[in-house]
Amino acid sequence: EAGVTQSPTHLIKTRGQQVTLRCSPISGHTSVYWYQQALGLGLQFLLWYDEGEERNRGNFPPRFSGRQFPNYSSELNVNALELEDSALYLCASSFSPTGELFFGEGSRLTVL
Amino acid sequence: QQQVKQSPQSLIVQKGGISIINCAYENTAFDYFPWYQQFPGKGPALLIAIRPDVSEKKEGRFTISFNKSAKQFSLHIMDSQPGDSATYFCAASESNTGKLIFGQGTTLQVKP
Repeated sequence: EAGVTQSPTHLIKTRGQQVTLRCSPISGHTSVYWYQQALGLGLQFLLWYDEGEERNRGNFPPRFSGRQFPNYSSELNVNALELEDSALYLCASSFSPTGELFFGEGSRLTVL
Repeated sequence: QQQVKQSPQSLIVQKGGISIINCAYENTAFDYFPWYQQFPGKGPALLIAIRPDVSEKKEGRFTISFNKSAKQFSLHIMDSQPGDSATYFCAASESNTGKLIFGQGTTLQVKP
């Protein structure tokens, strides 16, 4: 069974640009989560989607947004990129909101 | 109050030894405590998790000890192997928030 898949795996952007990251959850999982893993800051919760709705968001500015599609895949959008947005963006999915989280391998974003 | 404090930051253990990583939390509403293992270039993988109604959980060489009154939990890796060399994260969450609060991580090196 395929795990959580993310694309792209690596990308480079310049300050002020916009980026869209994509995530396909494990089949049957309805909840999708986004985390940011920046050097020295550990894993920070970004967003939680369940059944197409945003259920919770972490302490990130509004330029971080996303959505979940009817097939439960998800996108994370980051507008007006800043240097400190350089990080590994991890997507995770779970069977239910109280279920175990399974992470993908992440999208590594470098902002120059 | 949302923090999870993890120690030590790094750990070197001889092959066959016991690796112990500790975490402490403040929020008494946390009710789920997982441990994740992350290899370089990979996403975190769930190792073992515990809920506060039990004081210990063992899966193979990995054991979580949980002390509800002290608000502490720890991961013990018995018979540590070089293949266990990775970064370990503890985490905690509160029901229905979809949000895992991660510790800062412990880099474990097991020497042959």
